[in-house]
Amino acid sequence: SQTIHQWPATLVQPVGSPLSLECTVEGTSNPNLYWYRQAAGRGLQLLFYSVGIGQISSEVPQNLSASRPQDRQFILSSKKLLLSDSGFYLCAWAKQGQPQHFGDGTRLSIL
Amino acid sequence: RKEVEQDPGPFNVPEGATVAFNCTYSNSASQSFFWYRQDCRKEPKLLMSVYSSGNEDGRFTAQLNRASQYISLLIRDSKLSDSATYLCVASYGGATNKLIFGTGTLLAVQP
Repeated sequence: SQTIHQWPATLVQPVGSPLSLECTVEGTSNPNLYWYRQAAGRGLQLLFYSVGIGQISSEVPQNLSASRPQDRQFILSSKKLLLSDSGFYLCAWAKQGQPQHFGDGTRLSIL
Repeated sequence: RKEVEQDPGPFNVPEGATVAFNCTYSNSASQSFFWYRQDCRKEPKLLMSVYSSGNEDGRFTAQLNRASQYISLLIRDSKLSDSATYLCVASYGGATNKLIFGTGTLLAVQP
Protein backbone atom coordinates (compact mmCIF):
# COMPACT_ATOMS: atom_id res chain seq x y z
CA SER A 1 0.00 0.00 0.00
CA GLN A 2 1.01 3.60 -0.49
CA THR A 3 2.32 5.73 2.33
CA ILE A 4 3.43 9.33 2.58
CA HIS A 5 5.95 10.61 5.09
CA GLN A 6 6.49 14.21 6.06
CA TRP A 7 8.99 15.64 8.48
CA PRO A 8 9.53 17.26 10.83
CA ALA A 9 6.16 17.23 12.58
CA THR A 10 6.78 20.58 14.27
CA LEU A 11 9.34 23.27 13.71
CA VAL A 12 10.09 26.59 15.38
CA GLN A 13 12.33 28.90 13.38
CA PRO A 14 13.48 32.50 13.76
CA VAL A 15 12.62 35.11 11.15
CA GLY A 16 15.23 35.17 8.40
CA SER A 17 16.36 31.58 8.86
CA PRO A 18 16.24 29.00 6.03
CA LEU A 19 13.70 26.21 5.74
CA SER A 20 13.65 22.72 4.32
CA LEU A 21 10.64 20.42 4.65
CA GLU A 22 10.77 16.99 3.12
CA CYS A 23 8.07 14.66 1.87
CA THR A 24 8.47 11.15 0.48
CA VAL A 25 5.96 8.71 -0.94
CA GLU A 26 6.26 4.93 -0.95
CA GLY A 27 4.38 2.23 -2.78
CA THR A 28 3.69 4.07 -6.01
CA SER A 29 5.57 5.53 -8.96
CA ASN A 30 5.29 8.82 -10.82
CA PRO A 31 2.71 10.34 -8.48
CA ASN A 32 1.54 13.93 -8.67
CA LEU A 33 2.88 15.72 -5.60
CA TYR A 34 1.54 18.82 -3.87
CA TRP A 35 2.48 21.27 -1.12
CA TYR A 36 -0.30 23.10 0.73
CA ARG A 37 -0.33 25.61 3.56
CA GLN A 38 -3.16 26.04 6.02
CA ALA A 39 -3.02 29.17 8.13
CA ALA A 40 -4.78 29.13 11.50
CA GLY A 41 -8.55 29.03 10.98
CA ARG A 42 -8.18 29.17 7.21
CA GLY A 43 -8.65 26.80 4.29
CA LEU A 44 -5.96 24.88 2.44
CA GLN A 45 -3.97 26.90 -0.05
CA LEU A 46 -2.13 25.07 -2.81
CA LEU A 47 1.46 26.31 -2.98
CA PHE A 48 3.18 24.02 -5.50
CA TYR A 49 2.47 20.91 -7.48
CA SER A 50 4.61 18.57 -9.53
CA VAL A 51 3.67 16.05 -12.20
CA GLY A 52 7.20 14.66 -12.56
CA ILE A 53 10.86 14.87 -11.57
CA GLY A 54 12.14 18.42 -11.88
CA GLN A 55 8.70 19.75 -12.89
CA ILE A 56 7.39 22.34 -10.44
CA SER A 57 4.41 24.64 -10.83
CA SER A 58 3.85 27.50 -8.42
CA GLU A 59 0.32 28.56 -7.61
CA VAL A 60 0.94 31.78 -5.72
CA PRO A 61 3.85 34.23 -5.54
CA GLN A 62 5.62 33.77 -2.24
CA ASN A 63 8.77 33.42 -0.27
CA LEU A 64 8.97 29.67 -0.79
CA SER A 65 10.26 27.30 -3.45
CA ALA A 66 9.84 23.61 -4.15
CA SER A 67 11.95 20.93 -5.75
CA ARG A 68 11.47 17.33 -6.83
CA PRO A 69 14.91 15.74 -7.07
CA GLN A 70 13.54 12.19 -7.20
CA ASP A 71 10.29 10.64 -8.36
CA ARG A 72 8.87 10.24 -4.86
CA GLN A 73 10.57 13.09 -3.04
CA PHE A 74 9.21 16.61 -2.75
CA ILE A 75 10.99 19.38 -0.86
CA LEU A 76 9.70 22.76 0.26
CA SER A 77 12.33 25.41 0.93
CA SER A 78 12.92 29.00 1.83
CA LYS A 79 16.13 31.01 2.01
CA LYS A 80 14.73 33.49 4.55
CA LEU A 81 11.56 32.87 6.49
CA LEU A 82 9.01 35.60 7.16
CA LEU A 83 6.53 35.79 10.02
CA SER A 84 3.77 35.25 7.47
CA ASP A 85 5.24 31.85 6.59
CA SER A 86 3.85 30.39 9.81
CA GLY A 87 1.25 27.69 9.29
CA PHE A 88 0.48 24.05 8.84
CA TYR A 89 2.26 22.65 5.78
CA LEU A 90 0.84 19.59 4.14
CA CYS A 91 2.26 17.38 1.42
CA ALA A 92 -0.08 15.26 -0.68
CA TRP A 93 0.16 12.72 -3.48
CA ALA A 94 -2.26 11.46 -6.08
CA LYS A 95 -2.41 9.42 -9.24
CA GLN A 96 -4.13 11.13 -12.14
CA GLY A 97 -7.89 11.16 -11.73
CA GLN A 98 -7.74 9.92 -8.15
CA PRO A 99 -8.24 11.76 -4.83
CA GLN A 100 -5.25 13.21 -3.04
CA HIS A 101 -3.82 11.70 0.13
CA PHE A 102 -2.07 13.82 2.71
CA GLY A 103 0.93 13.42 4.96
CA ASP A 104 0.71 14.18 8.67
CA GLY A 105 1.80 17.77 8.12
CA THR A 106 4.44 20.07 9.60
CA ARG A 107 3.39 22.78 12.01
CA LEU A 108 5.77 25.71 11.43
CA SER A 109 6.03 28.60 13.87
CA ILE A 110 8.14 31.62 13.05
CA LEU A 111 9.44 33.70 15.94
CA ARG B 1 -16.13 34.94 -4.83
CA LYS B 2 -14.55 31.76 -3.52
CA GLU B 3 -14.40 28.85 -5.94
CA VAL B 4 -15.82 26.46 -3.35
CA GLU B 5 -18.09 27.88 -0.67
CA GLN B 6 -19.30 26.24 2.49
CA ASP B 7 -21.16 27.36 5.58
CA PRO B 8 -18.39 27.49 8.21
CA GLY B 9 -20.73 26.48 11.03
CA PRO B 10 -20.30 25.42 13.71
CA PHE B 11 -23.07 22.88 13.59
CA ASN B 12 -23.83 21.74 17.13
CA VAL B 13 -26.01 18.63 17.08
CA PRO B 14 -26.92 15.95 19.64
CA GLU B 15 -25.85 12.36 19.23
CA GLY B 16 -28.17 10.49 16.90
CA ALA B 17 -29.17 13.56 14.92
CA THR B 18 -29.10 13.85 11.17
CA VAL B 19 -27.06 16.75 9.83
CA ALA B 20 -26.63 18.06 6.30
CA PHE B 21 -23.80 20.14 4.88
CA ASN B 22 -24.08 22.10 1.67
CA CYS B 23 -21.45 23.37 -0.70
CA THR B 24 -21.44 25.30 -3.96
CA TYR B 25 -18.72 25.58 -6.57
CA SER B 26 -18.31 28.33 -9.12
CA ASN B 27 -16.26 26.70 -11.88
CA SER B 28 -18.40 24.57 -14.16
CA ALA B 29 -15.20 22.96 -15.50
CA SER B 30 -14.79 21.08 -12.21
CA GLN B 31 -14.84 17.38 -12.94
CA SER B 32 -14.63 15.50 -9.67
CA PHE B 33 -15.82 16.21 -6.17
CA PHE B 34 -14.92 14.92 -2.75
CA TRP B 35 -15.65 15.32 0.93
CA TYR B 36 -12.64 15.27 3.23
CA ARG B 37 -12.68 15.19 7.00
CA GLN B 38 -10.13 17.10 9.07
CA ASP B 39 -9.73 16.59 12.79
CA CYS B 40 -8.28 19.40 14.88
CA ARG B 41 -4.59 19.92 14.10
CA LYS B 42 -4.50 16.90 11.81
CA GLU B 43 -4.25 16.34 8.08
CA PRO B 44 -7.38 16.09 5.89
CA LYS B 45 -8.51 12.56 5.16
CA LEU B 46 -10.69 11.47 2.28
CA LEU B 47 -14.20 10.71 3.48
CA MET B 48 -15.85 9.93 0.16
CA SER B 49 -16.01 10.83 -3.49
CA VAL B 50 -19.21 12.42 -4.80
CA TYR B 51 -20.93 11.08 -7.90
CA SER B 52 -23.74 12.57 -9.96
CA SER B 53 -25.95 9.61 -9.17
CA GLY B 54 -25.42 10.12 -5.45
CA ASN B 55 -23.54 7.67 -3.30
CA GLU B 56 -23.77 6.26 0.17
CA ASP B 57 -21.20 4.87 2.57
CA GLY B 58 -22.79 3.64 5.77
CA ARG B 59 -24.24 6.64 7.58
CA PHE B 60 -22.88 9.09 5.00
CA THR B 61 -24.64 10.10 1.79
CA ALA B 62 -23.20 12.48 -0.79
CA GLN B 63 -25.07 14.17 -3.61
CA LEU B 64 -23.97 16.23 -6.60
CA ASN B 65 -26.14 18.52 -8.71
CA ARG B 66 -24.09 19.70 -11.68
CA ALA B 67 -26.84 21.95 -13.01
CA SER B 68 -26.95 23.90 -9.75
CA GLN B 69 -23.23 23.41 -9.01
CA TYR B 70 -24.18 22.14 -5.60
CA ILE B 71 -22.80 19.35 -3.43
CA SER B 72 -24.18 17.96 -0.19
CA LEU B 73 -23.20 15.58 2.58
CA LEU B 74 -25.74 13.97 4.87
CA ILE B 75 -24.70 12.28 8.10
CA ARG B 76 -27.29 10.11 9.78
CA ASP B 77 -27.25 8.93 13.40
CA SER B 78 -24.39 11.28 14.36
CA LYS B 79 -21.70 9.90 16.65
CA LEU B 80 -19.41 11.81 18.97
CA SER B 81 -16.55 10.63 16.75
CA ASP B 82 -18.05 12.47 13.78
CA SER B 83 -17.00 15.78 15.34
CA ALA B 84 -14.55 17.33 12.89
CA THR B 85 -14.32 19.85 10.08
CA TYR B 86 -15.76 18.65 6.78
CA LEU B 87 -14.11 19.99 3.65
CA CYS B 88 -15.89 20.21 0.33
CA VAL B 89 -13.46 19.76 -2.56
CA ALA B 90 -13.64 20.22 -6.33
CA SER B 91 -11.09 18.93 -8.82
CA TYR B 92 -10.36 20.14 -12.32
CA GLY B 93 -8.97 16.73 -13.13
CA GLY B 94 -6.55 16.38 -16.01
CA ALA B 95 -2.85 15.70 -15.62
CA THR B 96 -2.43 18.02 -12.64
CA ASN B 97 -5.40 16.75 -10.62
CA LYS B 98 -5.50 20.03 -8.68
CA LEU B 99 -8.01 20.31 -5.85
CA ILE B 100 -9.86 23.40 -4.70
CA PHE B 101 -10.84 23.21 -1.05
CA GLY B 102 -13.67 24.93 0.71
CA THR B 103 -12.80 26.42 4.08
CA GLY B 104 -14.73 23.67 5.83
CA THR B 105 -17.78 23.23 8.02
CA LEU B 106 -17.20 22.50 11.69
CA LEU B 107 -19.40 19.81 13.22
CA ALA B 108 -19.63 19.32 16.98
CA VAL B 109 -21.71 16.34 18.09
CA GLN B 110 -22.84 16.72 21.68
CA PRO B 111 -23.49 13.83 24.11
